[in-house]
This record gives sequence, C-alpha cells and structure tokens, in this order.
Amino acid sequence: GAGVSQSPRYKVAKRGQDVALRCDPISGHVSLFWYQQALGQGPEFLTYFQNEAQLDKSGLPSDRFFAERPEGSVSTLKIQRTQQEDSAVYLCASSLRRGNTEAFFGQGTRLTVV
Amino acid sequence: SQQGEEDPQALSIQEGENATMNCSYKTSINNLQWYRQNSGRGLVHLILIRSNEREKHSGRLRVTLDTSKKSSSLLITASRAADTASYFCATVLLAGANSKLTFGKGITLSVRP
Repeated sequence: GAGVSQSPRYKVAKRGQDVALRCDPISGHVSLFWYQQALGQGPEFLTYFQNEAQLDKSGLPSDRFFAERPEGSVSTLKIQRTQQEDSAVYLCASSLRRGNTEAFFGQGTRLTVV
Repeated sequence: SQQGEEDPQALSIQEGENATMNCSYKTSINNLQWYRQNSGRGLVHLILIRSNEREKHSGRLRVTLDTSKKSSSLLITASRAADTASYFCATVLLAGANSKLTFGKGITLSVRP
C-alpha cells in the first residue's frame, strides 16, 4: 500500500529484552516522527528525522531508546533492556515537508513488556 | 509534555446532532491540526489551520482558530455513528527546526445511533 507501514503490529517482550520496531514511511516523505502513546493518552513525541538527520531526540525517555534512519527512508526505533513502563503503542508518522503539512500515521506497534 | 488541552474530555451525542470540541494551547504556533483515532488504530489527519487563518471547512468539518485566545474548535455537523472515535488537536510550534506535532490528551466522542 501507499501508507506508512509499521512492523510488527504487536510485540511481547520479556523485561530486559531488546526490541526493534520498524517504520516504512511514505516514499518521498522528508520528515519522519516517532511517538509513544500510553493507553487513554495522546501521543507523546519521541524523536524527529529530516531525511537521515535526527534533528530532535528530546522526547526519548532514556538512553535505552535509540532511533535511526540511515538512508533517509526506513527508520528503526530500538529499545534496550525493556522495562514494564515501556509498554505502549509506538506510532510512526511521515510528512512530505517540514512542519506545515499533515502527518500520515502508521497503525502503530503495540509493545507489551512482561 | 502536552501543549494542547481538549475540552470536553468525553462527549456523547445523538446521531444527527452537531459535535463541538475545543482545544487550548500555551505557546505561539505555526499551525494547528486535528486528528481522529479509532480504537486500536493509527491517527488520521482531518484538517490543518495555519496561524494566519481564522476558519476552515472540509466537508462536515469546520475548524476555527483564535490566536489571541490560543484556542481552536472543531465542529462536526450532522454527526454519524461512524464519527465515534477519539479526536486530538496537535500544534506545530514556530521554532525553526522543530516541526514536531504536540498533541493533547484527546476527546472521546460517542455518537449514538
């Protein structure tokens, strides 16, 4: 399809395990965002890429969270040594240009840490 | 941290009625956007209004923006059961490289058939 694709849709991880979440943005979209959404809450910003450059990572909760977009298209959000408080839906979004255009969201990855 | 605050937190109306949702924010913005989220799904963009615009329409949606009051409203006219979802306002700040969307906590809209 032509939308933002995220995989896996669901991930169950044991506490302490490392996980990697993938985002395929819409082809040609310059901007890519990662958000974390807890149950019943709005999405919270994690990090932002413009092409391959990570311009803002101020929302990453700790140094266990790492994101990359090496070729300016696919992005991976990695969480090391997962903890129960990491359980949430992780949303990826892309937009054609920076800032003043709509963002297209993927379906999200629901991470449950047990 | 969340810049936008929606009001009310939950809204229940009868099909055919209009639904009005409000959003307030704290700092100057470049634009404000409204998104819809169905349960367990991603967010869908509804409408974007720029800081120099006061009102915008898209189908059954009407959004207003009052930058002096730092507030916006979303009106859905002639609601349908399919409009049942959570609605979020999101702001884009004026800062140069910072074009992230900052979301509120959302409004849960229930439209009774």
